[in-house]
Amino acid sequence: DIQMTQSPSTLSASVGDRVTITCRASQSISSWLAWYQQKPGKAPKVLIYKASSLESGVPSRFSGSGSGTKFTLTISSLQADDFATYYCQQYKSYPRTFGQGTKVEIK
Amino acid sequence: EVQLVESGGGLVQPGGSLRLSCSASGFTFSSFAMHWVRQAPGKGLEYVSTVTNNGDDTYYADSVKGRFTISRDNSKNTLYLQMSSLRAEDTAVYYCVKEGLLSPHDYWGQGTLVTVSS
Repeated sequence: DIQMTQSPSTLSASVGDRVTITCRASQSISSWLAWYQQKPGKAPKVLIYKASSLESGVPSRFSGSGSGTKFTLTISSLQADDFATYYCQQYKSYPRTFGQGTKVEIK
Repeated sequence: EVQLVESGGGLVQPGGSLRLSCSASGFTFSSFAMHWVRQAPGKGLEYVSTVTNNGDDTYYADSVKGRFTISRDNSKNTLYLQMSSLRAEDTAVYYCVKEGLLSPHDYWGQGTLVTVSS
């Protein structure tokens, strides 16, 4: 199985900050990576697919990059609505494994 | 509007069985693979299982292989997860998830809670 490792596990930031979350795969997954946002008590919502493609309706302050084994999710200017937990997921092969999550907290 | 509504969760004793259902609407159900993803209380997301659009192929996480069975009834627009030999570590909210045309999981249900406890 492909293992996905996110860093950091928790991130403290302020509104307006540029935020970067990293996700590493245990083997190459090309660009078969998605990013999700989850708020407490809610289902996850897809933000990015194919490593860098923005899902329809997602604000342009979210961007993704990377290929192979290293990927990043960047929020260019953090907004109050962005405080949440973020997960990466590989979908190159089954089982489609998730990273352990990164919680973005208010500083 | 795409809707995924899970049902069938509840309290079950260790070693017991439970069947989850997911009623789908708002899209051509038979055209898309479907998935189950779970989340234990206070923990991260865990992939559980996938069934292809016609039901011919299924995939499972190692943690549930041999105990859980995913299936679908395209005539009823319904996805199922038959869970047996349940363990305390299976306690989680179980989400029904639709495969997207572009993204892997584009729509999620609200989740149903399964609690395995004596």
